[in-house]
Amino acid sequence: RKEVEQDPGPFNVPEGATVAFNCTYSNSASQSFFWYRQDCRKEPKLLMSVYSSGNEDGRFTAQLNRASQYISLLIRDSKLSDSATYLCVVNSGTGNQFYFGTGTSLTVIP
Amino acid sequence: EAGVAQSPRYKIIEKRQSVAFWCNPISGHATLYWYQQILGQGPKLLIQFQNNGVVDDSQLPKDRFSAERLKGVDSTLKIQPAKLEDSAVYLCASSGPGQGTSGYTFGSGTRLTVV
Repeated sequence: RKEVEQDPGPFNVPEGATVAFNCTYSNSASQSFFWYRQDCRKEPKLLMSVYSSGNEDGRFTAQLNRASQYISLLIRDSKLSDSATYLCVVNSGTGNQFYFGTGTSLTVIP
Repeated sequence: EAGVAQSPRYKIIEKRQSVAFWCNPISGHATLYWYQQILGQGPKLLIQFQNNGVVDDSQLPKDRFSAERLKGVDSTLKIQPAKLEDSAVYLCASSGPGQGTSGYTFGSGTRLTVV
């Protein structure tokens, strides 16, 4: 079983739409969770950490459900510039090791 | 603060040739990672260093891949001999103390094409 699983998409949404991505993880001991954004032919960049109580950064909301072992990312009022691949990242629980999902591709359409 | 530096940006080699990639982490970052990202997939950890010691190399194909970080700063990843399936982007990342809880920073990667 993979450490982290994501729906690869693609998600094609119109500007202004709300879109949500989910990600499941297998290691119940994992302590740190993140969403990274990766633009085409670029390196992944940290979008936001995911906290137990849920957290919001502008139009982006991240949530963690430990009981069901999944994290989510909600993007409100989608912009064209949000088009990218969103990678779910989970740490190993035992060390400074991170596991990446395959990424979910988002295209925001004018 | 300067980011993670990697070189070269691009490399094209024939199968069975050798290739080496270089990474200079963010100054003061003790932990360094090499990831392989095949097109359409998420990054896969190849090896993790803590200073100049290996923490995890369980997914490194040791028959052809090797990596070192002799002085605990720069690192080199080598492939010898290369196979077609090694075509990928090789990403280096580094993290400092406590960054296990805040993610880490990637370099811009080396795009390897094996023909």
